[in-house]
Amino acid sequence: AQSVTQPDIHITVSEGASLELRCNYSYGATPYLFWYVQSPGQGLQLLLKYFSGDTLVQGIKGFEAEFKRSQSSFNLRKPSVHWSDAAEYFCAVGGGGGFKTIFGAGTRLFVKA
Amino acid sequence: EPEVTQTPSHQVTQMGQEVILRCVPISNHLYFYWYRQILGQKVEFLVSFYNNEISEKSEIFDDQFSVERPDGSNFTLKIRSTKLEDSAMYFCASKWTGDSNQPQHFGDGTRLSIL
Repeated sequence: AQSVTQPDIHITVSEGASLELRCNYSYGATPYLFWYVQSPGQGLQLLLKYFSGDTLVQGIKGFEAEFKRSQSSFNLRKPSVHWSDAAEYFCAVGGGGGFKTIFGAGTRLFVKA
Repeated sequence: EPEVTQTPSHQVTQMGQEVILRCVPISNHLYFYWYRQILGQKVEFLVSFYNNEISEKSEIFDDQFSVERPDGSNFTLKIRSTKLEDSAMYFCASKWTGDSNQPQHFGDGTRLSIL
């Protein structure tokens, strides 16, 4: 069955510290992987995506993610977190064609001064 | 950059009433989707639509729900007789083609509150 697991419901990081949000997926075919960010009451903004090629992908706002097929993981990282990064982060997997996107439960990021 | 737009941003409706949520996908997109996010929970797939018909739907998308593309620009989600548990954020998304290298583009959502 297709699924996405984000093990951490919430994470608190000090401003300026590094960040890693975990994501594991289960998908029967070649996965297409995404990270979205959602600020309170707002829509979903695409941070980055992985389809093929280089397993380290760069996104907006200084985020990057690394695809590890052997671990079925697609963890999101940022070297130095800013207070404005506080939001909910969703990992998602989608197939090719018009297939739906499957979301993880999300990880809420808190940033402390 | 083109955007998916959704109206209204917030809809308040009495239980049992019909509600229509509207979406204008990006103009050259061919695949359309509705997702739902109950407060504090994950984003859940409802339905996908291509070539004027439903291509996939989830178990959430029961007979109370319907989708329509009444003209060349709008994509609507109708809930026939709303229930309290329909209160959620509803996201519309669209995609250009079946090309796997294209992600879905999401609107900002409509918050539906059922009283």
